[in-house]
Amino acid sequence: DTEVTQTPKHLVMGMTNKKSLKCEQHMGHRAMYWYKQKAKKPPELMFVYSYEKLSINESVPSRFSPECPNSSLLNLHLHALQPEDSALYLCASSKGDQETQYFGPGTRLLVL
Amino acid sequence: GNSVTQMEGPVTLSEEAFLTINCTYTATGYPSLFWYVQYPGEGLQLLLKATKADDKGSNKGFEATYRKETTSFHLEKGSVQVSDSAVYFCALRRNTGFQKLVFGTGTRLLVSP
Repeated sequence: DTEVTQTPKHLVMGMTNKKSLKCEQHMGHRAMYWYKQKAKKPPELMFVYSYEKLSINESVPSRFSPECPNSSLLNLHLHALQPEDSALYLCASSKGDQETQYFGPGTRLLVL
Repeated sequence: GNSVTQMEGPVTLSEEAFLTINCTYTATGYPSLFWYVQYPGEGLQLLLKATKADDKGSNKGFEATYRKETTSFHLEKGSVQVSDSAVYFCALRRNTGFQKLVFGTGTRLLVSP
């Protein structure tokens, strides 16, 4: 089983809202990732967690705040987003941070 | 630096046609190579991978061979179906320490009945 789940599937939020995206995997993977994908573009890496510790932040604005409460769960807290942050947000996981990554279905975010 | 170049799309085929999507890469050392597929409105799914030269990855009738001499990893399928319509991403990852997945720009495949 190589399933990564993400909720919600769709999210609409205003620029003053606070919301969170959730990602879960039960494959025993110890690395988890957040990506942002704009239309007709490949995914762009945002954050990497390895063994529940943030190991990579790709210079992402502070209005995006990741959290890894345990080895199965990854959250992305959103606050004061801009319309240009509208995108598909993808979570991925892998056994270790040098292993094959498996992606979730994504959360499609619209910021109004 | 590391990079992946894919053929421009869209690729438009009739059902049962032969498919080739070209992918070439630039990387130091010997990266692992991947094909991911993204169906409309969905996330990425790993389609196949190869981790060393001359390896052939295969899945669901798709194949790709890691060619070190031509730095290529072309995706092929003998007979496409309408359900194969999607965007296909070629990607590489170097194998020393943590390395980001480096994606190509993606190739859209449209298969008509």
